[in-house]
This record gives sequence, C-alpha cells and structure tokens, in this order.
Amino acid sequence: DAKTTQPPSMDCAEGRAANLPCNHSTISGNEYVYWYRQIHSQGPQYIIHGLKNNETNEMASLIITEDRKSSTLILPHATLRDTAVYYCIVRPGGGADGLTFGKGTHLIIQP
Amino acid sequence: GAVVSQHPSWVICKSGTSVKIECRSLDFQATTMFWYRQFPKQSLMLMATSNEGSKATYEQGVEKDKFLINHASLTLSTLTVTSAHPEDSSFYICSAPGLANEQFFGPGTRLTVL
Repeated sequence: DAKTTQPPSMDCAEGRAANLPCNHSTISGNEYVYWYRQIHSQGPQYIIHGLKNNETNEMASLIITEDRKSSTLILPHATLRDTAVYYCIVRPGGGADGLTFGKGTHLIIQP
Repeated sequence: GAVVSQHPSWVICKSGTSVKIECRSLDFQATTMFWYRQFPKQSLMLMATSNEGSKATYEQGVEKDKFLINHASLTLSTLTVTSAHPEDSSFYICSAPGLANEQFFGPGTRLTVL
C-alpha cells in the first residue's frame, strides 16, 4: 500500500468546516483513498473512500487532486463529536488484506 | 453501514488464564475478518487475518500459539489469548470487509491482565 502523510494534529472551531489533508504521492493507479476515524476508546469508523472523482456522503466529502497525489477530507459543519484521530489509508480496491494504520491526524473541535 | 459487534467489551483476568473474545458481523457475512490490537497512545496494529473454514494467517511477530483464532462461521470469529500476561493488556479490535473493501470495525475489547 502506498505511504500517506498527514499532519499530526489540527484544531477547528465548532460549526466550521474541518479540512483534513493527506499526501499520497506514490499512489498507484489501482489504489483507492480510504478515510477512517477513531474516537477515543472506540473502534475505528469508516468514513468515505474514492478513486479519482470527488465523493460525498452523509458524513463527509472527499476531494482528490487531479494527479491523485493528495486528497482532503471535509467535514462540512464540525461538531464536538467529530473530535477524533482521522486516518487516511491508500490501498487497492480489490485487496483483501488488513489495514496498515499510520499515526493519523488528531482533530480537535473547539467549542 | 454494516455492523460488527464484539464481546466482551472489557475483561479483567489473572495472569496465566485464557480469555476468549468474540467478533460478529451482525447483518452481513464475512469470509474474512481481521484482528488488531492497540496499545495506549499508539495506532492499531494488524495481528492476524481470520479465514472462515481455514487457518488464520498471522503478521510477523505475532505468536500463533498464543493468539488462537477460530472462524467457525460466516458471521463469527473468535480470538483466544492463551496464558495471558500483563504485557498482553491491550485494546483488541476486529473488522470485517464490506463490498467496496472498506472495513467495518467492532467497538473493541479492553483486556487487562493482572
């Protein structure tokens, strides 16, 4: 799986959009970008994934650059419950392997 | 999204005893499940892949005789920590893949070995 780079921590004000960046400059053509988050003392939660087009679901939006070397996860209206560690993981869409977690970004939503 | 459950959510045991943790996919079938552990202030580390009807595959450095995995059905995988010691105290989490290869995680089991 391609390596990803994320900032270790970010702050965001409640009610504002939280934009979490991820660099994956060595991504291969068949690799997708997946985002997960882990709220303290809970199991991780799947958020969203994409290949090259921008994606949106009820939780977030995923913006992938045209060269696919970086992406941004957007939480449109952050709440205190969005405080968590966010992981960006790149892997093949058809892969059947377990995940390799980096250190992620600790997003802290400030009231 | 799909739901994965784990039982128990926490367990305290004496050193030398064995502990079994269950992972269930509640509304979908999973021929493969994954087991992770997480030490305080660290990321999840993949321990093993549980395969329904066949042997589990373990990551390098994980003792297969200590962490016994059984995937008896398409909705249940169990992890047994045998002869547990204090250094096995950790947060154990399972996951199962969805149709788009996204992973659905259980809520985790906190094991404390005294």
